[in-house]
Amino acid sequence: AQTVTQSQPEMSVQEAETVTLSCTYDTSESDYYLFWYKQPPSRQMILVIRQEAYKQQNATENRFSVNFQKAAKSFSLKISDSQLGDAAMYFCASPIQGAQKLVFGQGTRLTINP
Amino acid sequence: DTAVSQTPKYLVTQMGNDKSIKCEQNLGHDTMYWYKQDSKKFLKIMFSYNNKELIINETVPNRFSPKSPDKAHLNLHINSLELGDSAVYFCASSPRWVTEAFFGQGTRLTVV
Repeated sequence: AQTVTQSQPEMSVQEAETVTLSCTYDTSESDYYLFWYKQPPSRQMILVIRQEAYKQQNATENRFSVNFQKAAKSFSLKISDSQLGDAAMYFCASPIQGAQKLVFGQGTRLTINP
Repeated sequence: DTAVSQTPKYLVTQMGNDKSIKCEQNLGHDTMYWYKQDSKKFLKIMFSYNNKELIINETVPNRFSPKSPDKAHLNLHINSLELGDSAVYFCASSPRWVTEAFFGQGTRLTVV
């Protein structure tokens, strides 16, 4: 079965510092997308960044970037210059080919210390 | 304009009741989903529809019945509510299943 695993239930970081959230996935597909979503206390699911597997270049969105290691099936999210508003649950997600569904990791709760 | 909207945001009801959650998307997407988020924040897909056709039914009790009157709407009806149904239910849509999903704001269902 295709799975997405986030091994860090909780992480904390000092404001303005950098933090990396880990994600590993398992897929038999050669071309696929990977996503990071943010869920603040408002509970809205917000897309943070996406990566297309066929692209070698790591995706970047302002302070958010990914380290995509296709061979290792690893997809980590780096948040630079952490801000208080970054405090949230972060979910890694991957679609499952042929099953038409997006599978989510267990989530990582990120706390920003002022 | 809200892209994916679901109503109500909060729903408190007694065991045994029947309730519905409505979802509408104005993005022109073909695919819509219902996800359930439990108390541990785990997100699990319940149903997936593509152009009004049911694609996925993930071993959900048959007390849960989705209905898609058109491709912009996907409603969820729940019969005979149980305490274990308490959760946050998210509606989402995507242009194709391989792309990212856009989520509604969620409905927190509390069964007492």
